[in-house]
Amino acid sequence: AQKVTQAQTEISVVEKEDVTLDCVYETRDTTYYLFWYKQPPSGELVFLIRRNSFDEQNEISGRYSWNFQKSTSSFNFTITASQVVDSAVYFCALGAPSNTGNQFYFGTGTSLTVIP
Amino acid sequence: GAGVSQTPSNKVTEKGKYVELRCDPISGHTALYWYRQSLGQGPEFLIYFQGTGAADDSGLPNDRFFAVRPEGSVSTLKIQRTERGDSAVYLCASSLTHRGDTQYFGPGTRLTVL
Repeated sequence: AQKVTQAQTEISVVEKEDVTLDCVYETRDTTYYLFWYKQPPSGELVFLIRRNSFDEQNEISGRYSWNFQKSTSSFNFTITASQVVDSAVYFCALGAPSNTGNQFYFGTGTSLTVIP
Repeated sequence: GAGVSQTPSNKVTEKGKYVELRCDPISGHTALYWYRQSLGQGPEFLIYFQGTGAADDSGLPNDRFFAVRPEGSVSTLKIQRTERGDSAVYLCASSLTHRGDTQYFGPGTRLTVL
């Protein structure tokens, strides 16, 4: 079965603090993809990053960084020097393509509030 | 280029009525997905199209829900005899192909069944 767990329901930080959002996934597939999406108050899901299961290199994009560890089935997301504009709900998703489809399995999201 | 668009943005209907929700995917994307998102939850898969055919409809909750994509582009999600429990945000996404490609989401349609 495919499953994504985001244990942190809500996080509040003060502006300029670093924050890490946790994501743990379950799958029996050897080929799979992991994603992070941001959902600001406007409601639209914004794509942040995609990783495939064969690439465990960590990635940095500006203030954002991602730590993928297959040994612990985790794909954590860190925001450095948080800003008020980072306030949103963040979703981790697992995609396990098959012959019939590519549905994503989403976690329940982590609501991040950055306090000025 | 244009992203995924969905209409209407909001739909209020009465219990028992029929509704149609429309999705216009990114041009050139062959795969199209419908998800439903309830308050405080992540999106839940409903149905996936590859071209004109529904390749996977395992997420549709019951036979009141149906979706079409007759020309392989625009898709319509149809809900018959709506119930209050159908109230949610219905999200559409598209991807270039279906093999692990990134799905790009539309703004959603907020459906409220009174």
